[in-house]
Amino acid sequence: AQSVTQLDSHVSVSEGTPVLLRCNYSSSYSPSLFWYVQHPNKGLQLLLKYTSAATLVKGINGFEAEFKKSETSFHLTKPSAHMSDAAEYFCVVSGGGTYKYIFGTGTRLKVLA
Amino acid sequence: DAGITQSPRHKVTETGTPVTLRCHQTENHRYMYWYRQDPGHGLRLIHYSYGVKDTDKGEVSDGYSVSRSKTEDFLLTLESATSSQTSVYFCAISEQGTGANVLTFGAGSRLTVL
Repeated sequence: AQSVTQLDSHVSVSEGTPVLLRCNYSSSYSPSLFWYVQHPNKGLQLLLKYTSAATLVKGINGFEAEFKKSETSFHLTKPSAHMSDAAEYFCVVSGGGTYKYIFGTGTRLKVLA
Repeated sequence: DAGITQSPRHKVTETGTPVTLRCHQTENHRYMYWYRQDPGHGLRLIHYSYGVKDTDKGEVSDGYSVSRSKTEDFLLTLESATSSQTSVYFCAISEQGTGANVLTFGAGSRLTVL
């Protein structure tokens, strides 16, 4: 079975400061992991994905995530937050021959001016 | 939204009425999914399809049925809508179902059941 836990439902940062959104996963197989972003009243957009290549994955808009198997984590980071980063972020796990993608409950990022 | 169209985008209906949501793709992808999004729950899988006439249940399939008669169309039907089915529904597609492939989402359909 697979599952994913997003450790914070809300995160607030000041503009220009680093962003850290935490995600832990559970999987009986080598997982594929994704981060998606959803801006208000919009659909979901892929930020980045990990599929067993490099453990440090770079995505769009300056985001990156590091796959740590020993810690079963896939945290999302960005060095400097921008107002446009305010959105909800979802960590997703899949793999093991399944067609299913399991979503975390989301982290809402607020960026303060 | 990358060749995925959901209709209707907004619908208000009454308890007990049937509702059908449509997802249409122009990408010729084999895999299609219906999710619902509710606060505090993230996205939960309702049903998915791995080919024409091939569908399977997700984690919250009770009260929903699906059909896929053509590669490009995946229909979600609520036979008798209830207030607990008020939600935002997202359709997604994937070229392959190996899990390493990216899910691409439609814009969503907001359903309100009164």
